[in-house]
Amino acid sequence: SQQGEEDPQALSIQEGENATMNCSYKTSINNLQWYRQNSGRGLVHLILIRSNEREKHSGRLRVTLDTSKKSSSLLITASRAADTASYFCATSNQAGTALIFGKGTTLSVSS
Amino acid sequence: KAGVTQTPRYLIKTRGQQVTLSCSPISGHRSVSWYQQTPGQGLQFLFEYFSETQRNKGNFPGRFSGRQFSNSRSEMNVSTLELGDSALYLCASSLALGTDTQYFGPGTRLTVL
Repeated sequence: SQQGEEDPQALSIQEGENATMNCSYKTSINNLQWYRQNSGRGLVHLILIRSNEREKHSGRLRVTLDTSKKSSSLLITASRAADTASYFCATSNQAGTALIFGKGTTLSVSS
Repeated sequence: KAGVTQTPRYLIKTRGQQVTLSCSPISGHRSVSWYQQTPGQGLQFLFEYFSETQRNKGNFPGRFSGRQFSNSRSEMNVSTLELGDSALYLCASSLALGTDTQYFGPGTRLTVL
């Protein structure tokens, strides 16, 4: 079963615009991670935010976490065509390192 | 440092057959996890291996099995293939159990006819 649910399912923007994706989850977490997947290939780790953190930055990425609302957001600033991909949030289960993924947001950035 | 490699990249099988997929983790990584990705169910955790032992298992039937070798390489096997087993199978490695970040391979695309 899915833990995280991303919103929106699909997002289309122009190059230079910002893209915001949201993720909601159901149970308590140790951390939340965001991954990117290009066209049915492997996933690339983007950023991890721990349950005691509220915001984290990495280059053009900004992630926020609100544990009271069980939600997270990923902001990509100044989007580029190369950012076109599917983005997934993932949480760790209590048993170990197994990741529980949402269904993803498909981002399309046009030039 | 080389990334996670998976072989084969593409595979076509027929119902009832069995298949073995292989994964070589990043050098020095000892934990290997497997995931199945389908359009309907999304990404689902299959199992995780560390030090040649299965440490964690997802909600999949017994037809799905795996193992890990002493060099941390891992294989997963699916017996008596069903049409619904068609999917992208992803392997991920991490330094150790409890390590948060997982590094994914390119996946094996399995098609069952």
